[in-house]
Amino acid sequence: GENVEQHPSTLSVQEGDSAVIKCTYSDSASNYFPWYKQELGKGPQLIIDIRSNVGEKKDQRIAVTLNKTAKHFSLHITETQPEDSAVYFCAARGDSWGKLQFGAGTQVVVTP
Amino acid sequence: GAGVSQSPRYKVTKRGQDVALRCDPISGHVSLYWYRQALGQGPEFLTYFNYEAQQDKSGLPNDRFSAERPEGSISTLTIQRTEQRDSAMYRCASSPRSSNTGELFFGEGSRLTVL
Repeated sequence: GENVEQHPSTLSVQEGDSAVIKCTYSDSASNYFPWYKQELGKGPQLIIDIRSNVGEKKDQRIAVTLNKTAKHFSLHITETQPEDSAVYFCAARGDSWGKLQFGAGTQVVVTP
Repeated sequence: GAGVSQSPRYKVTKRGQDVALRCDPISGHVSLYWYRQALGQGPEFLTYFNYEAQQDKSGLPNDRFSAERPEGSISTLTIQRTEQRDSAMYRCASSPRSSNTGELFFGEGSRLTVL
């Protein structure tokens, strides 16, 4: 089955700086890679996703890159703001289309 | 409300008791998913449904866990003879169609504590 590793586990950045979170996956057949943001006491919420036929996708201050050869993908947040503070999860879909394998999460803290 | 609704939000039970967790998906959503999330970890897949059909139950830890969605809407996750290791946040999600990709809309979860 699919295995997803996520780094770092915690990330502290100054407001206005960039944040980068990296994930690796094991199943070369995986074809869908979403990123979820989870605020305290709430369920995860999709912020961006990328399919395996695309190398990069951007939505305002967030972007995701995918390297299929190396089997890794990354989330980039630019011009961070205090409201970006949350736990971020990467995920990959492997052999069962309805089943997402999540990483362990990255706690991002943006300090003013 | 418009979101995925789960009940109860909090459940404390004694070891050996059975528990039933309910999920009411967003109206019209075809697919429904159950995940379990331990503190400080990512969601762990349990099972999912398209309409009333259970498509994949490979994530259910053992035969004490079962799920059903008899009319293709509300779903119940049942844990029999609960054990302390079952303590976790149980999250339900739904998505609007049986598609290859797409957003999962998560509920706020049911926190289960087994004493």
